[in-house]
Amino acid sequence: NAGVTQTPKFQVLKTGQSMTLQCAQDMNHNSMYWYRQDPGMGLRLIYYSASEGTTDKGEVPNGYNVSRLNKREFSLRLESAAPSQTSVYFCASIPWPNYGYTFGSGTRLTVV
Amino acid sequence: GQQLNQSPQSMFIQEGEDVSMNCTSSSIFNTWLWYKQDPGEGPVLLIALYKAGELTSNGRLTAQFGITRKDSFLNISASIPSDVGIYFCAGQLGGGSEKLVFGKGTKLTVNP
Repeated sequence: NAGVTQTPKFQVLKTGQSMTLQCAQDMNHNSMYWYRQDPGMGLRLIYYSASEGTTDKGEVPNGYNVSRLNKREFSLRLESAAPSQTSVYFCASIPWPNYGYTFGSGTRLTVV
Repeated sequence: GQQLNQSPQSMFIQEGEDVSMNCTSSSIFNTWLWYKQDPGEGPVLLIALYKAGELTSNGRLTAQFGITRKDSFLNISASIPSDVGIYFCAGQLGGGSEKLVFGKGTKLTVNP
């Protein structure tokens, strides 16, 4: 099925460990986004990529890095995980100039 | 940065009742969007509004883009159990910026 695929769906990390969250879309969309969702906080933008080869910081980028590997894939890396990064992470993509984001089903990350 | 004030934070209603929720902002948006998130899933676009004053329906859902471009509301008529979830409003500034600003969500519970 066409859409946004995120892996893994669940992950538990120890403080200080690193990991990469993967996101891929097969809709030929130009822009891709990473959000985190915390209870009572809504969705907050971490990083985004308006096109292949470009990335920009969002509202809460500290502690994260991203890579736009190609048009399909946009990964989010935690170099040294902290308990404050326990959250649900969503990847989304959007074609230009359409306005509707398509979201993945999320990665539930717990840092202990 | 821009912020959206979404209310109410939560609603507990009986099946068959109508529901109303709204979002306000101090900023002007060119596009308003309403999303629904089912438990364990990513948000899914319900309705997109592109013009001030626009009133759009999608089945039992009706949403309006406020005349001032600083607010929007979503109504759900004759609620059913599958309406349970979190509803998010989102605003897009436009003018070349695709980024969405999200409200913190309204959690809807429908009692059969």
